[in-house]
Amino acid sequence: GAVVSQHPSWVICKSGTSVKIECRSLDFQATTMFWYRQFPKQSLMLMATSNEGSKATYEQGVEKDKFLINHASLTLSTLTVTSAHPEDSSFYICSARAGANYGYTFGSGTRLTVV
Amino acid sequence: QKEVEQDPGPLSVPEGAIVSLNCTYSNSAFQYFMWYRQYSRKGPELLMYTYSSGNKEDGRFTAQVDKSSKYISLFIRDSQPSDSATYLCAMMGGGNNRLAFGKGNQVVVIP
Repeated sequence: GAVVSQHPSWVICKSGTSVKIECRSLDFQATTMFWYRQFPKQSLMLMATSNEGSKATYEQGVEKDKFLINHASLTLSTLTVTSAHPEDSSFYICSARAGANYGYTFGSGTRLTVV
Repeated sequence: QKEVEQDPGPLSVPEGAIVSLNCTYSNSAFQYFMWYRQYSRKGPELLMYTYSSGNKEDGRFTAQVDKSSKYISLFIRDSQPSDSATYLCAMMGGGNNRLAFGKGNQVVVIP
């Protein structure tokens, strides 16, 4: 149980375009999901907390207009990187928790390359 | 002082050896402790989840939590080349649902 599915696993896009990444909880409902960014050989950096039915909470230094988060249902959160630039190239990962008896489960990650 | 300290130095061990990893932390409110394994270009995979102090065993993996010392450990017995990965500790608590991560340990098991 407690499976989180993330798509796509990798994407290449041109500078200036937008990219949407989906995160789904497959066998549980998640009122809260988290979005992380990870640079090579570094730990995960929390970008924002996604709350179902309300606005996301962004960490300091993360541009909310650039990284749009939508959590329209209890099983789906999306992260849209708008007007992507090469410096947005990174590994993006989502996570959610099935309940107090569970740890946080992570998606498989999305490798974004902006050219 | 960082909330979670994990010596990121790479660790190489021969196949069959015991791998010992640990993290220290400063926030006494942490109550939930996790260990993740992350392969290159993949999301972290939850290995162990423990609440409060004590030991937990799952197959070749043993997690230990000592809240009095603010110290957690992960042991991998009979290590295999497939265990070669980065291992991250993570923890949370005190009414805050955000995870605090260690930097991660790269482990290489040599056949």
